[in-house]
Amino acid sequence: GIQVEQSPPDLILQEGANSTLRCNFSDSVNNLQWFHQNPWGQLINLFYIPSGTKQNGRLSATTVATERYSLLYISSSQTTDSGVYFCAVNRKTSGSRLTFGEGTQLTVNP
Amino acid sequence: DTAVSQTPKYLVTQMGNDKSIKCEQNLGHDTMYWYKQDSKKFLKIMFSYNNKELIINETVPNRFSPKSPDKAHLNLHINSLELGDSAVYFCASSAWDTTTDTQYFGPGTRLTVL
Repeated sequence: GIQVEQSPPDLILQEGANSTLRCNFSDSVNNLQWFHQNPWGQLINLFYIPSGTKQNGRLSATTVATERYSLLYISSSQTTDSGVYFCAVNRKTSGSRLTFGEGTQLTVNP
Repeated sequence: DTAVSQTPKYLVTQMGNDKSIKCEQNLGHDTMYWYKQDSKKFLKIMFSYNNKELIINETVPNRFSPKSPDKAHLNLHINSLELGDSAVYFCASSAWDTTTDTQYFGPGTRLTVL
């Protein structure tokens, strides 16, 4: 099956810092999503981004499908950004199942 | 309005018991999923239903039986619970065969087997 690798596994920042999270995947995909799992366990959709660039406030994401990677940028981080960030991918031939990476644990300190 | 809802949010039970988790979505989607998140936070697909038909059935013990009474509901029944079943179970839904098949997740059900 498709492999999804995220880096770094852990990241500690001071409030106001910027960060880049990376997701590499081993095969072509039809769907790529970024999620934020907050400290209460809720999985929140950030982006649906199988290719191209999108921005939503302080967050933006870029997927380079031909090179099989995606980047999530967090600017001016806030303590509420803390949690685990997951990248998940899907191939239509896989019946729309999402395959998740292991996540990046982000801690933003005040 | 909650898009994907699950009940219960927490479930604590003894080994050997049978329990069910319910999921409902009001997004008009025709595909629903169950994912399991283990203690290391790794998320993995268990089942997927499209229009009440099972389309994905990963290597899951047959003690787990999903049921979809209609395309807005997908329930998960677990027989003879074991300690290793302790996890967070997430329901999700998406449209099928569209260019934007974003999956939306419910709040999760934390199952603890004692």
